[in-house]
Amino acid sequence: AQKITQTQPGMFVQEKEAVTLDCTYDTSDQSYGLFWYKQPSSGEMIFLIYQGSYDEQNATEGRYSLNFQKARKSANLVISASQLGDSAMYFCAMRGLETSYDKVIFGPGTSLSVIP
Amino acid sequence: NAGVTQTPKFQVLKTGQSMTLQCAQDMNHNSMYWYRQDPGMGLRLIYYSASEGTTDKGEVPNGYNVSRLNKREFSLRLESAAPSQTSVYFCASSEAYGSTDTQYFGPGTRLTVL
Repeated sequence: AQKITQTQPGMFVQEKEAVTLDCTYDTSDQSYGLFWYKQPSSGEMIFLIYQGSYDEQNATEGRYSLNFQKARKSANLVISASQLGDSAMYFCAMRGLETSYDKVIFGPGTSLSVIP
Repeated sequence: NAGVTQTPKFQVLKTGQSMTLQCAQDMNHNSMYWYRQDPGMGLRLIYYSASEGTTDKGEVPNGYNVSRLNKREFSLRLESAAPSQTSVYFCASSEAYGSTDTQYFGPGTRLTVL
């Protein structure tokens, strides 16, 4: 069975500082993909970044990077130089690519508030 | 190119009524999904479809049925709505290409069951 854990219900960060949002996962698949999504108060789901389990380098997309530690089964999101517009819910998600191909599950989310 | 569209945007039902939520995508994706999001919580997978003609149960399938009508459309049906099904429902589609993968989400349907 797949499971995503996000242990930080809420986080605060000062504007222009960096912040790390934690995500740990559990899967029996050797091949899988990890995602991060942002959900602002308007409700839409915005894709941020993707990491494949066999990618040797950590994924980066602009101010977002994914700190992937396979042995620890963690996929933390790092946001550099936080902006007020980064205040939102952030969700970690996983797709197993073997026994449960195409099944994508989400963690409970972390609420990030950026303080001016 | 509309992406993923959902109808309706809002719906109020009485307990026991039935309804179908519609979802369509124009990106030629094979995989489609239905999620529900309860207040202050993450998305929970109801059903998914890896390709036209196939559907599989997700984490919370009870009380729902789905139909993958064709490659574009994936509908979610509530046969006898219950207050516990009050939620925001998101449809998504995806396709994995080599080393990249993402899901595209519709705008959501806000359903209230009285």
